[in-house]
Amino acid sequence: EPEVTQTPSHQVTQMGQEVILRCVPISNHLYFYWYRQILGQKVEFLVSFYNNEISEKSEIFDDQFSVERPDGSNFTLKIRSTKLEDSAMYFCASRRGAGTETRNTEAFFGQGTRLTVV
Amino acid sequence: AQKITQTQPGMFVQEKEAVTLDCTYDTSDPSYGLFWYKQPSSGEMIFLIYQGSYDQQNATEGRYSLNFQKARKSANLVISASQLGDSAMYFCAMRDAYSGAGSYQLTFGKGTKLSVIP
Repeated sequence: EPEVTQTPSHQVTQMGQEVILRCVPISNHLYFYWYRQILGQKVEFLVSFYNNEISEKSEIFDDQFSVERPDGSNFTLKIRSTKLEDSAMYFCASRRGAGTETRNTEAFFGQGTRLTVV
Repeated sequence: AQKITQTQPGMFVQEKEAVTLDCTYDTSDPSYGLFWYKQPSSGEMIFLIYQGSYDQQNATEGRYSLNFQKARKSANLVISASQLGDSAMYFCAMRDAYSGAGSYQLTFGKGTKLSVIP
């Protein structure tokens, strides 16, 4: 069964360093997302990406964050200068198509990357 | 603004019994989708079930069913015949109405931790 793959599963970085979180969405999916979950808290939307551009982003997704799909398969989230409060589980998700009341609305999540900023 | 409320931070259920996890939502959008995800201790987010706001029948997926009461704005998850492997966090989430290509922001509740007792 196809799945969303995220690497690494766990990353430790020093405050102020840049990190890149990688995701390989399901191959025939067109819409891609990043969410984060601070330990013990709810999952929060960061950004959605379609047709090689950001379609929506939350307040959390400030100038320190960027996303790109460099080669048609990988989908990356970059944090330029990490802060302690960036420590969280980061989830990538993908969805096949648009539509409102169809199964295309189902988003598949990766297993997450646990980012620890020290 | 959307809001998802899960009022049960933790629930216990005896193995083989059924359990209902509560979820209420608030939206002014006429078209929306409701989701339940399971998050085991390993951290991944596993899609369980989806209900569209215009679906006439309650969604079912194996042992999972969604008790959708539109007038009450509730979308409770029912797990029948609980198994030890059902012990996990369960998140209710809602999708915004379709508002453009790629728009698909999921808003999550705070989750309910389900513990299945042997």
